[in-house]
Amino acid sequence: GAVVSQHPSRVICKSGTSVKIECRSLDFQATTMFWYRQFPKQSLMLMATSNEGSKATYEQGVEKDKFLINHASLTLSTLTVTSAHPEDSSFYICSANGDPLENTEAFFGQGTRLTVV
Amino acid sequence: SQQGEEDPQALSIQEGENATMNCSYKTSINNLQWYRQNSGRGLVHLILIRSNEREKHSGRLRVTLDTSKKSSSLLITASRAADTASYFCATTNTGGFKTIFGAGTRLFVKA
Repeated sequence: GAVVSQHPSRVICKSGTSVKIECRSLDFQATTMFWYRQFPKQSLMLMATSNEGSKATYEQGVEKDKFLINHASLTLSTLTVTSAHPEDSSFYICSANGDPLENTEAFFGQGTRLTVV
Repeated sequence: SQQGEEDPQALSIQEGENATMNCSYKTSINNLQWYRQNSGRGLVHLILIRSNEREKHSGRLRVTLDTSKKSSSLLITASRAADTASYFCATTNTGGFKTIFGAGTRLFVKA
């Protein structure tokens, strides 16, 4: 299947700083990518849809000014957590869909564990 | 959860027993997927069933889909201690191709 690579896998940052997480589709072009957040012992919550060349679409309750998404190329989407606080500590994971005509599963990155201290 | 519910929330069984997890969803879908996640790790894709399919098998896994009831089940036969993990269903909708997750079931298989 297609490969989605996410970097970094773990990051620890100080409160008030910003952290950038990268999501790359390695062997296919992804005009759309998705960002999820997962708190301990909970499910994955969709945060936003990242659209190549246009603004991201955010789910209800997700602050777009806090979670900046940039999708400047067909293989790279970035999520920047701005002015991070301890409550932003979570597991963040991205995904991209394969060819919609093929009706295949989504392809997920390995995830990034963010700890804000 | 954003999409629907899974039950049970937690399941504890003996090795060798079968485990059944159920998932319900809310919208029209293209497909439904099941994933496994070990504690603190990423997702492992298990099986995908399309909206026009009713049942699918993969090794010890059996998945059913009932689109009229908007529900699916995952059966793991002859469970092993290594099957201990959280299991999530996820649906890709017919509109925007979003993939939305259910609440998940935490499975514990005792050796």
